[in-house]
Amino acid sequence: AQTVTQSQPEMSVQEAETVTLSCTYDTSESNYYLFWYKQPPSRQMILVIRQEAYKQQNATENRFSVNFQKAAKSFSLKISDSQLGDTAMYFCAFMNEAGNMLTFGGGTRLMVKP
Amino acid sequence: DAGVIQSPRHEVTEMGQEVTLRCKPISGHNSLFWYRQTMMRGLELLIYFNNNVPIDDSGMPEDRFSAKMPNASFSTLKIQPSEPRDSAVYFCASSFGDWRRDTQYFGPGTRLTVL
Repeated sequence: AQTVTQSQPEMSVQEAETVTLSCTYDTSESNYYLFWYKQPPSRQMILVIRQEAYKQQNATENRFSVNFQKAAKSFSLKISDSQLGDTAMYFCAFMNEAGNMLTFGGGTRLMVKP
Repeated sequence: DAGVIQSPRHEVTEMGQEVTLRCKPISGHNSLFWYRQTMMRGLELLIYFNNNVPIDDSGMPEDRFSAKMPNASFSTLKIQPSEPRDSAVYFCASSFGDWRRDTQYFGPGTRLTVL
């Protein structure tokens, strides 16, 4: 079974600064998919970024980028130039290659301070 | 596209009552998922459908929960009878095509409060 661990229940960052959210996972599979979801106070889940394990290049979406370390089973999210609108819960998620299991971490609550 | 649509957005009911949550997936998506989120347990996958067929309902907590997908554009999650511990936010998500490769897109959620 897969497990996803987000070791930081809460984090804060000053506006315009950079913050990194940690995520580790455990799996015996070689191919899989990793995601970061954002859940703002509105409660809607928003996909931030995804990474395929077979791709060595780290995914990037504007101010969001990941540091994917496959051997270490680590998938951290870096948010550059933090904005007040980035305040939200962030969930790391793992999907196995077969796609019949989508596992989420416990979430990290990020507060961006003005 | 309007995205995944869920209704109602908020539901308050009394213990023992039947609750029905509704979901309209993104048009053209072949897979639909129901999730529950609580502070204690985080986000849990309850059930998912592929081409309107339930594939895995192992996450459904107990027989009080049931889900249906009568057609490609509509799904329901029913709780009967409801209990206070069912209070949570329920999310519906859908994905397109080969759902094992595609990202799930979430709706806004339904906040359920059972008194």
